[in-house]
Amino acid sequence: EPEVTQTPSHQVTQMGQEVILRCVPISNHLYFYWYRQILGQKVEFLVSFYNNEISEKSEIFDDQFSVERPDGSNFTLKIRSTKLEDSAMYFCASSSRLGPANTGELFFGEGSRLTVL
Amino acid sequence: EDKVVQSPLSLVVHEGDTVTLNCSYEVTNFRSLLWYKQEKKAPTFLFMLTSSGIEKKSGRLSSILDKKELFSILNITATQTGDSAIYLCAVEAGSARQLTFGSGTQLTVLP
Repeated sequence: EPEVTQTPSHQVTQMGQEVILRCVPISNHLYFYWYRQILGQKVEFLVSFYNNEISEKSEIFDDQFSVERPDGSNFTLKIRSTKLEDSAMYFCASSSRLGPANTGELFFGEGSRLTVL
Repeated sequence: EDKVVQSPLSLVVHEGDTVTLNCSYEVTNFRSLLWYKQEKKAPTFLFMLTSSGIEKKSGRLSSILDKKELFSILNITATQTGDSAIYLCAVEAGSARQLTFGSGTQLTVLP
């Protein structure tokens, strides 16, 4: 069964360092997302990406964050200068958006746990 | 601001029990409601509901949406220990196309 894959599964970094989280969405999906979940809190939307550009972004997704689809398969989230409060599980998701009413279920990757010290 | 509220926050039952999980929402321009099961890491998709009153069923799990009263329920019959997980409700609304998640219901099924 096709799945979204993410690397690394866990990354520990020092505050102020740059981090890149990588995702390979499901191959025929067109919409890509990053969500995050701080330990014990809700899953929160960060950004959606379609047709090689950002569709929507939340207030969390400030100038320290960027996304890129450098080739036909990878989708990356970069945090330029990590802060302690960036520690969270980061989930990549993808969707085909071919369901009723042009919605489509999101399929999530296993997540990348980021720990900022 | 879009809001999704789940209840109860946690639930402990014994194998064989039937449980009902609740999700209410207040959103602008509702598009769909989704249920996910989160065990260790990734939320795994269970159901997507877009129409009122149509029950979706998968084995022992079923879900229904009421767009008039703005809620959905997820039922699990004959629970098993493997059903222990956090069940997440999420709503897609507006033109933003992102999901707003509830806090989840932590279900624990004891043998």
